[in-house]
Amino acid sequence: DADVTQTPRNRITKTGKRIMLECSQTKGHDRMYWYRQDPGLGLRLIYYSFDVKDINKGEISDGYSVSRQAQAKFSLSLESAIPNQTALYFCATSQTPPGYEQFFGPGTRLTVL
Amino acid sequence: AQKVTQAQTEISVVEKEDVTLDCVYETRDTTYYLFWYKQPPSGELVFLIRRNSFDEQNEISGRYSWNFQKSTSSFNFTITASQVVDSAVYFCALSGRGSGNTGKLIFGQGTTLQVKP
Repeated sequence: DADVTQTPRNRITKTGKRIMLECSQTKGHDRMYWYRQDPGLGLRLIYYSFDVKDINKGEISDGYSVSRQAQAKFSLSLESAIPNQTALYFCATSQTPPGYEQFFGPGTRLTVL
Repeated sequence: AQKVTQAQTEISVVEKEDVTLDCVYETRDTTYYLFWYKQPPSGELVFLIRRNSFDEQNEISGRYSWNFQKSTSSFNFTITASQVVDSAVYFCALSGRGSGNTGKLIFGQGTTLQVKP
């Protein structure tokens, strides 16, 4: 079984809809991250969490929110999806302290029409 | 500010050729970490290597090798005797205290490698 899972894997939605992307991990890591990938831009950080009570904005958090339901679960929400949020979204986990490699989920391909 | 530049957007080689992927980074941190990830056509991100700023030894793992040079702020990746299965997007990434000690990764734009049979 995969250590980091994401659901759904693919999603097509319409402008203005609320959508939630979910991430679960079995690696026992405290740190979790949400990134989005756009062609030619690499991956950019949306939100990150050090533990259930510690959630922080990344460089492109506008239009997104997150919830850390448990150590193993970290969800990303788009409250009102817009077309320029069409992207590939990755969840990642890592050990503490910083400097350790991050382990990525398989990604969620989101299309907003 | 921290930044990673992968100037090669796309590289195409014929199988068995050697290929080097360039990575140049910028940081003011004295302690930082560099990474390479591979993204095959299936889309997942596969961790390849981590290097800390105090370890400039080159590393070899099978057909893969990495050259870390602090003097030129580079962390280049070479694939020897490339194979079709090496076709992927390769990302270089940086993490350091300039990231607010968050451990977040600053990614380069990625280099798409196509290995033709």
